[in-house]
Amino acid sequence: GAVVSQHPSWVICKSGTSVKIECRSLDFQATTMFWYRQFPKQSLMLMATSNEGSKATYEQGVEKDKFLINHASLTLSTLTVTSAHPEDSSFYICSARASAARAYEQYFGPGTRLTVT
Amino acid sequence: GDSVTQMEGPVTLSEEAFLTINCTYTATGYPSLFWYVQYPGEGLQLLLKATKADDKGSNKGFEATYRKETTSFHLEKGSVQVSDSAVYFCALSGASGGYNKLIFGAGTRLAVHP
Repeated sequence: GAVVSQHPSWVICKSGTSVKIECRSLDFQATTMFWYRQFPKQSLMLMATSNEGSKATYEQGVEKDKFLINHASLTLSTLTVTSAHPEDSSFYICSARASAARAYEQYFGPGTRLTVT
Repeated sequence: GDSVTQMEGPVTLSEEAFLTINCTYTATGYPSLFWYVQYPGEGLQLLLKATKADDKGSNKGFEATYRKETTSFHLEKGSVQVSDSAVYFCALSGASGGYNKLIFGAGTRLAVHP
């Protein structure tokens, strides 16, 4: 099946710094990529949807100036957490979908655990 | 708003035991329902789906039936294996959030012992 990778798988950063997470579709072109956030024992919460070459669409309550999403190519999307604070510590998961695919036809990355100290 | 509730884990079973993971949903309209599985170190994978009431999704020995009257989509397997140890997520799409979004439950960790 289709493979989506994320890098890094685990990152620790100091409060006030920025950290970038990459999401790559390895064997297909991802017209749309999704970024989710998961707190311990809670659901995956959709943060934003990005289409290649367009600005991301953020879910209500997600600060777009804090969580910068770039989807510059059909195989790469990045999430940058700017001026990170301890409350941004979480598990971030991306998924990718080819064009004209349905919502459930998303392929998920393994996730990135961010710890802000 | 739309939501999915699934039983808390972890669920610990012996090999060949019967598995049930409960999932109920709240949604407007007629959502499609899904089960995803996440094996250690891997991304979520679609396990099975059902797109309308009374549909039964099945895959790899797992089954779930879309019950509109009880708004449920419980996951079952008759005889689990150690290799089934993973986190299972119930999800829906096509309700008020539209078909472009998936709404997930919190996940249930399953541990199967030999």
